[in-house]
Amino acid sequence: EPEVTQTPSHQVTQMGQEVILRCVPISNHLYFYWYRQILGQKVEFLVSFYNNEISEKSEIFDDQFSVERPDGSNFTLKIRSTKLEDSAMYFCASSIGGRLLGGYTFGSGTRLTVV
Amino acid sequence: AQSVSQHNHHVILSEAASLELGCNYSYGGTVNLFWYVQYPGQHLQLLLKYFSGDPLVKGIKGFEAEFIKSKFSFNLRKPSVQWSDTAEYFCAVNAQIYNQGGKLIFGQGTELSVKP
Repeated sequence: EPEVTQTPSHQVTQMGQEVILRCVPISNHLYFYWYRQILGQKVEFLVSFYNNEISEKSEIFDDQFSVERPDGSNFTLKIRSTKLEDSAMYFCASSIGGRLLGGYTFGSGTRLTVV
Repeated sequence: AQSVSQHNHHVILSEAASLELGCNYSYGGTVNLFWYVQYPGQHLQLLLKYFSGDPLVKGIKGFEAEFIKSKFSFNLRKPSVQWSDTAEYFCAVNAQIYNQGGKLIFGQGTELSVKP
């Protein structure tokens, strides 16, 4: 069964450093998403991406965050200057049809720890 | 704004007991509904989903859910739980809004502990 692959599985970084979280969505999927889950809290939507541009973003997704699909296979989330409160599990997801067809597939997540 | 509410934060059951986890959402339009499970240390896995048609949907591992539109509810059920069902369960909604990226709105999650 096709999978969404995320790397690394765990990243520790110092406050103020830039991090890039990587995702390889399922190859024929067209919509890509990032979600995060702070420990003990619910999963929160960050951003959706379609046709090489952001289609929707949440209030959490401020200027510190950016997404990119640099080579047609990878989908990255960059946090420019990490803060302690960015520590969370970050999930990438992809979907073939977005809002109507659903069928989101989630990756295993990257646990980001900011120290 | 859309929201999803799961009323039970932590449910403790003995094996073979029946399970019902509540989920209510607030959105007046057409929605797609999902239940995800997250086993300890693992990623979100889809249990079942509802798009249209029969409001009683069956998912994997013996789970089912019933969509009651008049109550804005999508409760998850299993007749007889097993120890291996110990996990966190998330209800999620995707509103069918034109020209949006199809984001999922998640509930707070319900932690299920099944005692052997």
